[in-house]
Amino acid sequence: ETGVTQSPTHLIKTRGQQVTLRCSSQSGHNTVSWYQQALGQGPQFIFQYYREEENGRGNFPPRFSGLQFPNYSSELNVNALELDDSALYLCASSFGGSAVQETQYFGPGTRLLVL
Amino acid sequence: EDKVVQSPLSLVVHEGDTVTLNCSYEVTNFRSLLWYKQEKKAPTFLFMLTSSGIEKKSGRLSSILDKKELFSILNITATQTGDSAVYLCAVVKQGGSEKLVFGKGTKLTVNP
Repeated sequence: ETGVTQSPTHLIKTRGQQVTLRCSSQSGHNTVSWYQQALGQGPQFIFQYYREEENGRGNFPPRFSGLQFPNYSSELNVNALELDDSALYLCASSFGGSAVQETQYFGPGTRLLVL
Repeated sequence: EDKVVQSPLSLVVHEGDTVTLNCSYEVTNFRSLLWYKQEKKAPTFLFMLTSSGIEKKSGRLSSILDKKELFSILNITATQTGDSAVYLCAVVKQGGSEKLVFGKGTKLTVNP
């Protein structure tokens, strides 16, 4: 167990709806990264938050947005859901800053199904 | 465009066999390469490789990086059914956010 938790574990939504996914980072980590993993694919980087600021973004549209809170937990929000948003959403925590540790520790993920 | 390619995409072996999983990459500003094991949901960390030619070892698993030829291999000896999983290779880029660029993974099935 990595100490990274995510909620909810599973979610079913319909097209056009909005969803919020949550992630609590491992103790001592100040960086959270979000990934989308479609079935049979590797995880794709969505964005990263470091000390409450967005610190890099992958090739995802603006309807994917996020937040990081002072305790370094994080939210991923997706508006106007599309069928292709159905995937496993993973968050990973790490320690960033001047003493970067590349190793990212993943949470168990949230499985989102859009109907 | 950054690319991480894993091969084979799937592999079925018998317990006791030795397997070699491959990961090649074309990534600008390479920093390090990571291997993860994904059984159900959360990828679990196996190795981080930064320098060429230095083997990392953990029990029956070992991995090595070749920065000249831009690839890494993950070896598993004396495979067990518990080794059945998807093995993911990811590259960390220098500068900016330390995002991971993943391959599609190799699905390993170990039969009794």
